[in-house]
Amino acid sequence: QVQLVQSGAEVKEPGASVKVSCKASGYTFTGYAISWVRQAPGQGLEWMGWVSAYNGNTNYARKLLDRVTMTTDPSTSTAYMELRNLRSDDTAVFYCARDAGYNGYEFFDYWGQGTLVTVSS
Amino acid sequence: QSALTQPPSASGSPGQSVTISCTGTSSDIGGYNYVSWYQQHPGKAPKLMIYDVTKRPSGVPDRFSGSKSGNTASLTVSGLQAEDEADYYCSSYAGSSTVFGGGTKLTVL
Repeated sequence: QVQLVQSGAEVKEPGASVKVSCKASGYTFTGYAISWVRQAPGQGLEWMGWVSAYNGNTNYARKLLDRVTMTTDPSTSTAYMELRNLRSDDTAVFYCARDAGYNGYEFFDYWGQGTLVTVSS
Repeated sequence: QSALTQPPSASGSPGQSVTISCTGTSSDIGGYNYVSWYQQHPGKAPKLMIYDVTKRPSGVPDRFSGSKSGNTASLTVSGLQAEDEADYYCSSYAGSSTVFGGGTKLTVL
């Protein structure tokens, strides 16, 4: 069965970076892209960006362009999301999700369990 | 890209039907037939319920249905059951991005 298993919770100080991993299993990793979605406490979902597991192409949300990097390692079927220069309003649960769309990020059929990142001094 | 607009709450009694709306623009909902809906229970990851406006993934009950007219999409839950109580988020492809709605809390009375 398809599974996306994410790394554990993190606590970071403002200005630091965080790197969250998402290990996929149960399907051909390079056949699907991965999107990252975050959810601030008590808030809605926010799409952060997309990375192709086939060729590493990326597309990031405009507001995060200068602070986010998404990568994949096909040898371990793992996707990564790094967010730099963390601010308090980056505190959120970060989800990876398998992109089941046609050109990229039309819809997401499997989700990781989420990783809580807390930014606090 | 602005978030799609959903009502913050909706409710219905068991067995009734409820419809949740999701309003966007011609740059997202109105421009593509790529609207999806996600169900999220507290503390859990979202679950895909509808994609491509009207399609249901395998395993999703046919009580859940989707539609679209112009810049507004809708999710209808028929024959409400207690386990349908959750937050529901709409989403639309927007060309260079994906945009979500603010979420609707569905309460089963």
